[in-house]
Amino acid sequence: AQTVTQSQPEMSVQEAETVTLSCTYDTSENNYYLFWYKQPPSRQMILVIRQEAYKQQNATENRFSVNFQKAAKSFSLKISDSQLGDTAMYFCAFMNNNAGNMLTFGGGTRLMVKP
Amino acid sequence: EAQVTQNPRYLITVTGKKLTVTCSQNMNHEYMSWYRQDPGLGLRQIYYSMNVEVTDKGDVPEGYKVSRKEKRNFPLILESPSPNQTSLYFCASSLLLAGDTQYFGPGTRLTVL
Repeated sequence: AQTVTQSQPEMSVQEAETVTLSCTYDTSENNYYLFWYKQPPSRQMILVIRQEAYKQQNATENRFSVNFQKAAKSFSLKISDSQLGDTAMYFCAFMNNNAGNMLTFGGGTRLMVKP
Repeated sequence: EAQVTQNPRYLITVTGKKLTVTCSQNMNHEYMSWYRQDPGLGLRQIYYSMNVEVTDKGDVPEGYKVSRKEKRNFPLILESPSPNQTSLYFCASSLLLAGDTQYFGPGTRLTVL
């Protein structure tokens, strides 16, 4: 079974600065997908970024980028130029290519962006 | 607008009173799933369905039932709710393609007294 660990329950960052959220996972699979979801106070789950394990290039989406280290089984999220609207819970999630579309989530990191 | 809808959004009930949370998607997705979210545990999968009449257990299926009679609907049934089922519930759907992005409903906050 896969496990996903987010070791930072809470983090804070000043507006306009950069913050990195950590995520590690454990799997014996070689083909899989990794995701970061954002959950603002509205509780809606919003996809931030997606990474295919077979791609060496790190995914980026505007101010959001990942540092994917396959050998280390690490998948951190970097948020540049943090904005107040980035305040939310962030969940890292793993999807095994051979187990349907089931997502395994980490416990989440609560990010507070301070003005 | 492409979306996943859930009803009700909030529900307070008592132990043992059967309830159903509905989920519907308008994207013609084959795959649908239910998750529960609890503090510190993230989201955990309860049940999933790969198509009509095809359902299977996730990580935490005890105390729940599902059905998939139509492609767009995937209701979650609690036959005899208990306080440990107090949680935030999410329905999600996606195409049945490896790695396809799952789209989540708005969530249902359930309290069982």
